[in-house]
Amino acid sequence: NAGVTQTPKFQVLKTGQSMTLQCAQDMNHNSMYWYRQDPGMGLRLIYYSASEGTTDKGEVPNGYNVSRLNKREFSLRLESAAPSQTSVYFCASSEDAYRAPYEQYFGPGTRLTVT
Amino acid sequence: ELKVEQNPLFLSMQEGKNYTIYCNYSTTSDRLYWYRQDPGKSLESLFVLLSNGAVKQEGRLMASLDTKARLSTLHITAAVHDLSATYFCAVVMDSNYQLIWGAGTKLIIKP
Repeated sequence: NAGVTQTPKFQVLKTGQSMTLQCAQDMNHNSMYWYRQDPGMGLRLIYYSASEGTTDKGEVPNGYNVSRLNKREFSLRLESAAPSQTSVYFCASSEDAYRAPYEQYFGPGTRLTVT
Repeated sequence: ELKVEQNPLFLSMQEGKNYTIYCNYSTTSDRLYWYRQDPGKSLESLFVLLSNGAVKQEGRLMASLDTKARLSTLHITAAVHDLSATYFCAVVMDSNYQLIWGAGTKLIIKP
């Protein structure tokens, strides 16, 4: 089992460019999440998908879009990258967003720099 | 709005000593998680605390939850260098089941 995988691991973009971060899980989990982590801060939720076919905004959704492609895959798109989106992005999954134990399992992260 | 505060945010300690990290949160919740993150790495789940009075132990780490005080503690016993990492607590928000994260405690254990 690979768990949660993310691609790419590193990316440098120029302001205004677009890109899609890919995430896949092989644990048959229903729920998936995208977070960003900035220095000195905890994680902040961008979007989540409680189940296949649904997506919801988290704390910081502006500038991002998501697609739950199927049960395994959940992608995050930056349509027009801005320097404020320089961050480390983590994808996570859990069995079910609305039932205990709610424990989330994380991917290795994508380090994104926008110049 | 649920806020989660950890303290201290930075802790440097000697091997062999004991110490406690605190996680306070601002509204009711009875579900709290502790995660560990090594530099440049992902987050690893340490403890899942799902009820008042829950206590979990793994090696030199012990976590507890007091939902009445809205407080969780992560206690380190006889610290060793391998425990150097950043530790995060995260609380489940009752309204939408999202996790709200503390800022993390960076722990450095010196030989």
